Amino acid sequence: AQSVTQPDIHITVSEGASLELRCNYSYGATPYLFWYVQSPGQGLQLLLKYFSGDTLVQGIKGFEAEFKRSQSSFNLRKPSVHWSDAAEYFCAVGAPSGGFKTIFGAGTRLFVKA
Amino acid sequence: SQTIHQWPATLVQPVGSPLSLECTVEGTSNPNLYWYRQAAGRGLQLLFYSVGIGQISSEVPQNLSASRPQDRQFILSSKKLLLSDSGFYLCAWSHRGTSVSDTQYFGPGTRLTVL
Repeated sequence: AQSVTQPDIHITVSEGASLELRCNYSYGATPYLFWYVQSPGQGLQLLLKYFSGDTLVQGIKGFEAEFKRSQSSFNLRKPSVHWSDAAEYFCAVGAPSGGFKTIFGAGTRLFVKA
Repeated sequence: SQTIHQWPATLVQPVGSPLSLECTVEGTSNPNLYWYRQAAGRGLQLLFYSVGIGQISSEVPQNLSASRPQDRQFILSSKKLLLSDSGFYLCAWSHRGTSVSDTQYFGPGTRLTVL
């Protein structure tokens, strides 16, 4: 069955430090891959997505993610974290066709310390 | 531009009472619509999705139901709430004609507490 795993429940980084949030998926073909961000008490906002083509995807707010087929991963990165990046981040996997719905990971809560 | 509204923002209901949460989308036509539930510390669970008026697909057996009386209106209901129905309910939409797992745009959510 298709699945998404975010191994880290929460991560704490210092402001200005680099960030990498991990995401692994299970799917038989090339999936749609997404990263969403959720501020407390709010809905989710799309950061970036991968459908095909260049495996390094640029998103909003200075985020990027790299699709690695051999590792079934789609890790999210940011070179320098700002305090406003503190939020919960969700990786999600979808499929280009059929009745397969988007599956979301359990999320990673990011804490930023001054 | 497209916007998505949900109301109420917060709701406290007793066990056994009915529920009605509403979601409306503006600025687009014939969207795919979704209801998710997010329990504390957990990811999103897809409850229902709809690809058109009156077309509802249920993902998880439960005491909730959904309806789509108009193209851009999606309603989540229950006749009798359970304690386990507490959570954060999110409505989302995506462009019609795309896969139901294409990019989704989320509303602000409704925090439901069942006491």
